[in-house]
Amino acid sequence: KQEVTQIPAALSVPEGENLVLNCSFTDSAIYNLQWFRQDPGKGLTSLLLIQSSQREQTSGRLNASLDKSSGRSTLYIAASQPGDSATYLCAVRRVTSGSRLTFGEGTQLTVNP
Amino acid sequence: EPEVTQTPSHQVTQMGQEVILRCVPISNHLYFYWYRQILGQKVEFLVSFYNNEISEKSEIFDDQFSVERPDGSNFTLKIRSTKLEDSAMYFCASSGGEWGNQPQHFGDGTRLSIL
Repeated sequence: KQEVTQIPAALSVPEGENLVLNCSFTDSAIYNLQWFRQDPGKGLTSLLLIQSSQREQTSGRLNASLDKSSGRSTLYIAASQPGDSATYLCAVRRVTSGSRLTFGEGTQLTVNP
Repeated sequence: EPEVTQTPSHQVTQMGQEVILRCVPISNHLYFYWYRQILGQKVEFLVSFYNNEISEKSEIFDDQFSVERPDGSNFTLKIRSTKLEDSAMYFCASSGGEWGNQPQHFGDGTRLSIL
């Protein structure tokens, strides 16, 4: 069974700081990994998708890396802004489980002005 | 940018009643999903749907639940005989690409409250 863990559970940083969010998964046989952002009471916004054959993906100030062999992914946010405050979720799609995503608990990020 | 839309945004229902949650996936997507998130817990997979049939379902998705694509645009989740523990945020998602290997895009969810 795939378990997905995100550390830390919560993070508070001053504006402008670069930061790293961590995601680990127990089963390395994944098809891809997706990072999401969730604002309070809202849906999930897809940020980045990394296929299992890729090492990283970039979108603007966001960079996600994937190390499948060690079961880890990181989301790097450069020059954080108060508007980045949200919960960040990672989710993996296993090779053996069709197209379902298995989610971590999320990291709640607060960027203070 | 195309988006997944869900209605209603909030549904309040008496225990034992039936509810239908509605979703309009992104128009050129062929893979559809329902997930739920109980307050304070992880997002959980319920069911995936492709080519007019269920392709995968979780242990949560028992006989109480059903999905349907009644026309070319809507995708619905029906919950029969609702229970208190069905209270959650229900998310619809869709994806495109070969074998649905493109990102899954989520709607804003329907908050279901069972009284």
